[in-house]
Amino acid sequence: KNQVEQSPQSLIILEGKNCTLQCNYTVSPFSNLRWYKQDTGRGPVSLTIMTFSENTKSNGRYTATLDADTKQSSLHITASQLSDSASYICVVSPYGGSQGNLIFGKGTKLSVKP
Amino acid sequence: GAGVSQSPSNKVTEKGKDVELRCDPISGHTALYWYRQRLGQGLEFLIYFQGNSAPDKSGLPSDRFSAERTGESVSTLTIQRTQQEDSAVYLCASRRASGKKSSYNEQFFGPGTRLTVL
Repeated sequence: KNQVEQSPQSLIILEGKNCTLQCNYTVSPFSNLRWYKQDTGRGPVSLTIMTFSENTKSNGRYTATLDADTKQSSLHITASQLSDSASYICVVSPYGGSQGNLIFGKGTKLSVKP
Repeated sequence: GAGVSQSPSNKVTEKGKDVELRCDPISGHTALYWYRQRLGQGLEFLIYFQGNSAPDKSGLPSDRFSAERTGESVSTLTIQRTQQEDSAVYLCASRRASGKKSSYNEQFFGPGTRLTVL
């Protein structure tokens, strides 16, 4: 069964600290993986996309990694800011499947405290 | 340019009433999705429209839920005889779904409609 598991479920860190969020998936065959940021009361916004051949991709203070062999991805946030407080959602797209069949993780809720 | 818009932003209704939620996708986006997000939970897929193809309704939780889309524009999600368990945020997303690597295209989400069933 295609699944996406994220950990931790929630995380509290102090402003300025780094953190890493994890995403494990069992989706096969695999096309791509996206990380989304969802601020409270808003819709998710894409941070980065990882394809099969990509290991690392950065978007400002966000760095995503992908290990297609172990089916794991991580999102590393450097020098966290209060505005990073949000839910981070990992979404995996199967290869060749219906484009409606995106597999969503339940998200990690990050709280950055001053 | 305008993003995905949804209306109303909030809807409070009584149990047993019907509600209609609206989504205006980004112009030119042929793919449109509806999701449900209960408090503190992840996104739950409801339905997917792609151009003139038959919609993928596999995520609709019961026959009280239905959705329509007019061509490649506005979509409405209708919930009949609402129940308290229907209380959630309903998110709409659209996506440009043409091209060789269209599966890589980003979904753009609307702000959602918060539905409260009393």
